[in-house]
Amino acid sequence: QSALTQPPSVSGSPGQSVTISCTGSTSDIAIYNRVSWYQQPPGTAPKLLIYDVSSRPSGVPDRFSASKSGTTASLTISGLQADDEADYFCCSYRSDNTLVFGGGTKLTVL
Amino acid sequence: QLQLQESGPGLVKPSETLSLTCSVSGGSISSNNYFWGWVRQPPGKGLEWIGTIYYAGSTYYSPSLRSRVTISADTSKSQFSLKLGSVAAADTAVYFCARQRKGVGANPDAFDIWGQGTMVTVSS
Repeated sequence: QSALTQPPSVSGSPGQSVTISCTGSTSDIAIYNRVSWYQQPPGTAPKLLIYDVSSRPSGVPDRFSASKSGTTASLTISGLQADDEADYFCCSYRSDNTLVFGGGTKLTVL
Repeated sequence: QLQLQESGPGLVKPSETLSLTCSVSGGSISSNNYFWGWVRQPPGKGLEWIGTIYYAGSTYYSPSLRSRVTISADTSKSQFSLKLGSVAAADTAVYFCARQRKGVGANPDAFDIWGQGTMVTVSS
């Protein structure tokens, strides 16, 4: 079961925007609106940022936005802050009734 | 508010069975609106979905682990459990339990509440 593909790392300066991509296939991202994104600071449990491609749970700032096009989903963080520095993971439902995560992207705030 | 807490041995010998329990407080696992899942993270690596259960008994497993995994639920105790057999060093990881939203089509969706995780080391 191949993981979704994310860039290993991205970086940006405070106040800037960064986008993290998540590439899947025609068995997952392309056909299901069930992509979720998670933020994981070091040594902590993941936190849900986005579900169903672009919906934010209560309490998640609107600086975090997401979308998808074809087999690729994207998470954009605008107005970067120092405490945005963390690992970010995408996840998608698959046609065989399974779930798959991306390999993770380390965000560095310069 | 809902909280999840993993418990179980922190050290398991190779070839033995890893057993963990997730205790849910502040709510019930017998909800029509949620599933309950297990995710693991080897040291320094990414997240891996292990499997998911619905309180009524439906289970979903990762294809790569399906032959070794069993997830069960005890609604009377508001707990669900993970058993992973024939473990090896590659199963060393932090194991998380989490609540999952029910997505469109009544299938498991995003993980919205997580336990803090428990480290399990496989070593003799």
